[in-house]
Amino acid sequence: AQTVTQSQPEMSVQEAETVTLSCTYDTSENNYYLFWYKQPPSRQMILVIRQEAYKQQNATENRFSVNFQKAAKSFSLKISDSQLGDTAMYFCAFMKHSSNTGKLIFGQGTTLQVKP
Amino acid sequence: ETGVTQSPTHLIKTRGQQVTLRCSSQSGHNTVSWYQQALGQGPQFIFQYYREEENGRGNFPPRFSGLQFPNYSSELNVNALELDDSALYLCASSLEVHAYEQYFGPGTRLTVT
Repeated sequence: AQTVTQSQPEMSVQEAETVTLSCTYDTSENNYYLFWYKQPPSRQMILVIRQEAYKQQNATENRFSVNFQKAAKSFSLKISDSQLGDTAMYFCAFMKHSSNTGKLIFGQGTTLQVKP
Repeated sequence: ETGVTQSPTHLIKTRGQQVTLRCSSQSGHNTVSWYQQALGQGPQFIFQYYREEENGRGNFPPRFSGLQFPNYSSELNVNALELDDSALYLCASSLEVHAYEQYFGPGTRLTVT
């Protein structure tokens, strides 16, 4: 069975600074997807960034980038130039590439507060 | 393009009662997944519906059941409510079963007293 672990329940960062959120996972699969989702107080889960395991290049979306270490089963999210609107709960999630259900397995989440 | 919508927004029920939650998938999406998110936790997969059939189920008892309609909207039914069923219920739609992009609705907050 796959598991996803986020070891940082809460983090804070000053506006305009950089913060890194950690995620580790466990799987015996070779092909899979990893995601970071953002859940603001409005509760709507929003996809931030996606990484395909077969791609060595780390994914980047504007101010968001990941450090994907497949051998170490580590998938961290770096937020550059933090903005007040980045305040939210962030979830790391895993999906098997060959999944028949597209089932997402989520970590416990990290609450990020961006301070002015 | 209309996003994923859920109703109601909030709901309060008494232990032992039954509840139905509704989800309208994004236009063109034929697959709906349901997740339960307890307070302060990550979402847990309940089940998925694809073209009106259940297509995979998580570790939830049979009193959690669902439906998907020809327009691909979906319902989640929970019978014999327990206090631990209090949670945010999220639905997510996707273009196909294997699609890695899932679009979430805003959720229904269920409180069981």
